[in-house]
Amino acid sequence: GESVGLHLPTLSVQEGDNSIINCAYSNSASDYFIWYKQESGKGPQFIIDIRSNMDKRQGQRVTVLLNKTVKHLSLQIAATQPGDSAVYFCAEGGSYIPTFGRGTSLIVHP
Amino acid sequence: EAGVTQFPSHSVIEKGQTVTLRCDPISGHDNLYWYRRVMGKEIKFLLHFVKESKQDESGMPNNRFLAERTGGTYSTLKVQPAELEDSGVYFCASSLGLAGLEVFFGPGTRLTVL
Repeated sequence: GESVGLHLPTLSVQEGDNSIINCAYSNSASDYFIWYKQESGKGPQFIIDIRSNMDKRQGQRVTVLLNKTVKHLSLQIAATQPGDSAVYFCAEGGSYIPTFGRGTSLIVHP
Repeated sequence: EAGVTQFPSHSVIEKGQTVTLRCDPISGHDNLYWYRRVMGKEIKFLLHFVKESKQDESGMPNNRFLAERTGGTYSTLKVQPAELEDSGVYFCASSLGLAGLEVFFGPGTRLTVL
């Protein structure tokens, strides 16, 4: 069936490094994608989104890249900080109800 | 402005018991969603209310789960009787419109069924 999934369950980086979190999706009709950050004890929080008519979108320290050819998107975090430690979920939101992948745990070492 | 709140934050019950989770959405948000995350797995959609009506309940796992939203304000999710596989974190979210940017999540209720 259609799914949204992630390549790596855990990513460890050093403070100050750049982080890249990847996500694959299988529904070629998906036209809207969202990245969420979930910190311990909190619900998912919106980070950035991208529509299928774009291949890149930048926010504050974050960039999302979308490759529709291979149905892949990534979240890049520049100068990763300890406060970035969390579980990151990509979600397909084309049907207005976000459909989540499994999540990647980002661990930032000081 | 208060965000989405959920009660309780944690619940530990025995198999066969009943548990009721509550969600208070952001005031004025007609759309209310329930999601569940089982340990280490994806966050799965359970159902969607528009005001007091169930718009989509395709994610509800079985008839042991009952969600209500009387009056179109707060919502409850009852699990009766609870089974071991029901353990997980139950998230509630609300939105004014229908777009990912506008969906706000609560902190979740961690349910443990022993």
